[in-house]
Amino acid sequence: EAAVTQSPRSKVAVTGGKVTLSCHQTNNHDYMYWYRQDTGHGLRLIHYSYVADSTEKGDIPDGYKASRPSQENFSLILELASLSQTAVYFCASSEGLGGRNYAEQFFGPGTRLTVL
Amino acid sequence: QQQVRQSPQSLTVWEGETAILNCSYENSAFDYFPWYQQFPGEGPALLISILSVSDKKEDGRFTIFFNKREKKLSLHIADSQPGDSATYFCAASEVNTNTGKLTFGDGTVLTVKP
Repeated sequence: EAAVTQSPRSKVAVTGGKVTLSCHQTNNHDYMYWYRQDTGHGLRLIHYSYVADSTEKGDIPDGYKASRPSQENFSLILELASLSQTAVYFCASSEGLGGRNYAEQFFGPGTRLTVL
Repeated sequence: QQQVRQSPQSLTVWEGETAILNCSYENSAFDYFPWYQQFPGEGPALLISILSVSDKKEDGRFTIFFNKREKKLSLHIADSQPGDSATYFCAASEVNTNTGKLTFGDGTVLTVKP
């Protein structure tokens, strides 16, 4: 079964500080994604990657950077954390899309980030 | 403009009833529609999905009905169980972009009373 882990599981950060959220997958998946979820709302895509050392902007990339140093690891970086970035962040992975051009995304347990 | 809309925001049914969750979308290019189930404190997990070439998809107690002309779909949960209590997200993707990007609705919170 797919295994996606995230660290830390929760974090409190100060406004203007730097925050790094980490994601690790052991499924040999090509694609990895970062989403944020605000209370009472669905998930919105921040960044994604389909190969190591390359990242792509999602729908809401402003204020976030991403890093994919290896196939297994994908980090989300908030250089200057702001109050509006308080949310739950989910990482997901999926296998290569292949001829179907779609694939199930497997989600991690999430990181609850509070910016004060 | 929200690309994927879900209704109702919350739904309560009795055990054994059929729960009906609705979803509509704006983008005609969407052609892959997964439904994800999320329990409190966990990440979403794929429940069932459908491609736009089909109008119905069944998996046990879960059925998706899809109407391409009206850009609407619904998830029917038959014989609802208390363990089905969760938040259900409708999502959509354009398969021909080859990115796998999903656009999510805001979810429906389902409560099944015993």
